[in-house]
Amino acid sequence: ETGVTQSPTHLIKTRGQQVTLRCSSQSGHNTVSWYQQALGQGPQFIFQYYREEENGRGNFPPRFSGLQFPNYSSELNVNALELDDSALYLCASSGDLAGVHEQYFGPGTRLTVT
Amino acid sequence: ILNVEQSPQSLHVQEGDSTNFTCSFPSSNFYALHWYRWETAKSPEALFVMTLNGDEKKKGRISATLNTKEGYSYLYIKGSQPEDSATYLCAFRVDSGYALNFGKGTSLLVTP
Repeated sequence: ETGVTQSPTHLIKTRGQQVTLRCSSQSGHNTVSWYQQALGQGPQFIFQYYREEENGRGNFPPRFSGLQFPNYSSELNVNALELDDSALYLCASSGDLAGVHEQYFGPGTRLTVT
Repeated sequence: ILNVEQSPQSLHVQEGDSTNFTCSFPSSNFYALHWYRWETAKSPEALFVMTLNGDEKKKGRISATLNTKEGYSYLYIKGSQPEDSATYLCAFRVDSGYALNFGKGTSLLVTP
């Protein structure tokens, strides 16, 4: 396993609610990226955090927001949940931005919106 | 949105067979190409990251090649084993430190 952990493993929410997903990065990594994998699709980039600042964002609305903490763990928050937000949410950690670095993934959080 | 295509979508082979998959990506603004192996209920496992045209990487029975000029990468598995059963994802990157653009993956099933 990669050393990247995510919580919770799965959860069920109702449309309109808010949800917070958590990710602990691998030791020594200061960059965390979040991805959404909908059924039948490849993972889609949501955003990336580097040293507590958002460093890039994919094509997701503002109701998807995040945080990175001084220990480089991270949260993904989704407001006003919609049925289409049902997906597997993956986080990945990596070393400094300079150069090519592998991204190490956690096992994901399965979110179901009803 | 950068279009990354993987083929075939799924593959079923017998133990001992060798197999290969294809990942196609835009050939412009290439930075890196990643391969991941993803078993059900586990984390995606990093196999290779490739950056140079003509690059070849190998890990045990698994190897990969890269052609950045024509925009494709091949992943080869020699002598497939049941434990190789997984989804194999490729991801293309245009900039350092930003998004991995994933294909939908190739699902491999190896039966004894």
